[in-house]
Amino acid sequence: NAGVMQNPRHLVRRRGQEARLRCSPMKGHSHVYWYRQLPEEGLKFMVYLQKENIIDESGMPKERFSAEFPKEGPSILRIQQVVRGDSAAYFCASSPPSLTDTQYFGPGTRLTVL
Amino acid sequence: AQSVTQLDSQVPVFEEAPVELRCNYSSSVSVYLFWYVQYPNQGLQLLLKYLSGSTLVKGINGFEAEFNKSQTSFHLRKPSVHISDTAEYFCAVQGGSEKLVFGKGTKLTVNP
Repeated sequence: NAGVMQNPRHLVRRRGQEARLRCSPMKGHSHVYWYRQLPEEGLKFMVYLQKENIIDESGMPKERFSAEFPKEGPSILRIQQVVRGDSAAYFCASSPPSLTDTQYFGPGTRLTVL
Repeated sequence: AQSVTQLDSQVPVFEEAPVELRCNYSSSVSVYLFWYVQYPNQGLQLLLKYLSGSTLVKGINGFEAEFNKSQTSFHLRKPSVHISDTAEYFCAVQGGSEKLVFGKGTKLTVNP
């Protein structure tokens, strides 16, 4: 059973470009969570999605950030017009519908904004 | 709302010594508690979790943690560490919603 997959593992963007981060949950998992880890900080919750629904986006910045989890395909975290402060590691986690207390994390995407 | 405080940002120890990584939390609702480990440039791996029942929880790699409700603590312990335990350890809580709230992490360095 493959774990949570994220790609790309490393992403470099120039200021003003768009970043798209993808997350494929574990098989059988329909819940996806995105977290951001800034340097020397712990992980901060961004958004919680189920298939085709955003359940909790209380941690998402109000502008430039969006997330989706379509019926088919991976979850996407999209950052428009990136700025240097967006440089961070972005982690995706997934859980089965019956066990939301156990989240399995992917290896992360490390975004660098030049 | 919940918050997590990991009291030590860095903990150096010698191989085969015991270690305790401290974690305190605050919450107005009942919480679940977790410890995760992060090796360099990798994702987080669940070490152990407390949901209910016995306050002493055993996890992988010989780690254990004790939930203390009166002190709102969930300290992580290992009686004898190995070089391979060198990593960053995160305490997290979950309460009232599915999101995890993490502490800032403790970097454990095991020296020979």
